[in-house]
Amino acid sequence: SQQGEEDPQALSIQEGENATMNCSYKTSINNLQWYRQNSGRGLVHLILIRSNEREKHSGRLRVTLDTSKKSSSLLITASRAADTASYFCAPSGDSGYALNFGKGTSLLVTP
Amino acid sequence: NAGVTQTPKFQVLKTGQSMTLQCAQDMNHNSMYWYRQDPGMGLRLIYYSASEGTTDKGEVPNGYNVSRLNKREFSLRLESAAPSQTSVYFCASSHLAGSKETQYFGPGTRLLVL
Repeated sequence: SQQGEEDPQALSIQEGENATMNCSYKTSINNLQWYRQNSGRGLVHLILIRSNEREKHSGRLRVTLDTSKKSSSLLITASRAADTASYFCAPSGDSGYALNFGKGTSLLVTP
Repeated sequence: NAGVTQTPKFQVLKTGQSMTLQCAQDMNHNSMYWYRQDPGMGLRLIYYSASEGTTDKGEVPNGYNVSRLNKREFSLRLESAAPSQTSVYFCASSHLAGSKETQYFGPGTRLLVL
């Protein structure tokens, strides 16, 4: 399994603004997952996008995938203080049973 | 449903002591995982169990052993704790093994080794 690299490492915005974080990876993938981790808690699955999909929505979340650039982005629209968390991507290829997580993007949303 | 539960929540050990971290899931999942999370390092896979009766090493298995006791339970044992094993340990489960499977995480065990 390969590991994704999230960028930026930290992001600070105000409530109501949009937050965009990016994930890059090195080899071809079958799918890519995004997870959120609130402080002191376990990770929570947000969304999975398959390699043949370019964009996917879930509520205020929008994920894009560009396999030619080996990158994905997670957009959170109209951010709320409750969105404050770390966000991790997990790209996956054909092989491997488990996911590898990068260091994540730490998002701070201030009122 | 409780999902994935972990015990204990916190533990302080002295160097050389042993302990077992417990994990249980009530979602009838086949696959279970142990990760450690260190500041600035993200999560790293220690061991996983694709199905009951099987276990495999992950990225950082040294110093750990695991037991898949039954379909519900997957324990992680530190035989002789070292300060380098100070970390937050997360257990996770998924319906099946595989990269397209959603993983469900427990709340974590915070371990300090002095």
